[in-house]
Amino acid sequence: GENVEQHPSTLSVQEGDSAVIKCTYSDSASNYFPWYKQELGKRPQLIIDIRSNVGEKKDQRIAVTLNKTAKHFSLHITETQPEDSAVYFCAAQGRNYGQNFVFGPGTRLSVLP
Amino acid sequence: DVKVTQSSRYLVKRTGEKVFLECVQDMDHENMFWYRQDPGLGLRLIYFSYDVKMKEKGDIPEGYSVSREKKERFSLILESASTNQTSMYLCASSRGGVISNEQFFGPGTRLTVL
Repeated sequence: GENVEQHPSTLSVQEGDSAVIKCTYSDSASNYFPWYKQELGKRPQLIIDIRSNVGEKKDQRIAVTLNKTAKHFSLHITETQPEDSAVYFCAAQGRNYGQNFVFGPGTRLSVLP
Repeated sequence: DVKVTQSSRYLVKRTGEKVFLECVQDMDHENMFWYRQDPGLGLRLIYFSYDVKMKEKGDIPEGYSVSREKKERFSLILESASTNQTSMYLCASSRGGVISNEQFFGPGTRLTVL
């Protein structure tokens, strides 16, 4: 089955700097890769996703890149702000037609003022 | 706006008790999921369901069962709670279809088994 690894487990950046979180997956058949943000005490929420027919997707300060050959994808946050502090989870499709996901272990991002 | 609700935010049970966690979604989603969240392990899938009365095992189904009698409701059952089932439990739902869709999460139930 699918296995998703995520690095780093914790990341601290100065406000205004960029942050990059990387994930690798094992199943070459996976073709959907969402990123979820979970603020302290709150539910995970989708912030961006990418399908395998594109290599990059951007939404304001957030971008995701996908390298299908190497089986890895990354989240890029530019001009970080204190409200970006949260745990970020990457995910890839699981089995059964891809309606379920396999999540990475998460990255705790701290943006220091 | 999708709304996924869970029956309790916090629950304390004793070892050996039968525990029911309920999840309700109001967007007519076909798919529903139960995850447990533990520090450093991310979200691990326990069970999921594509339709009423249909269920599939996830990655860690041992010690759990589920029930989906109505489309909007998905229940997680711990037949005999154990201390290693102390965790945060998250329910999610998503639209059906042949392509993957966003999963919407409930607020979570923090279960403590003493």
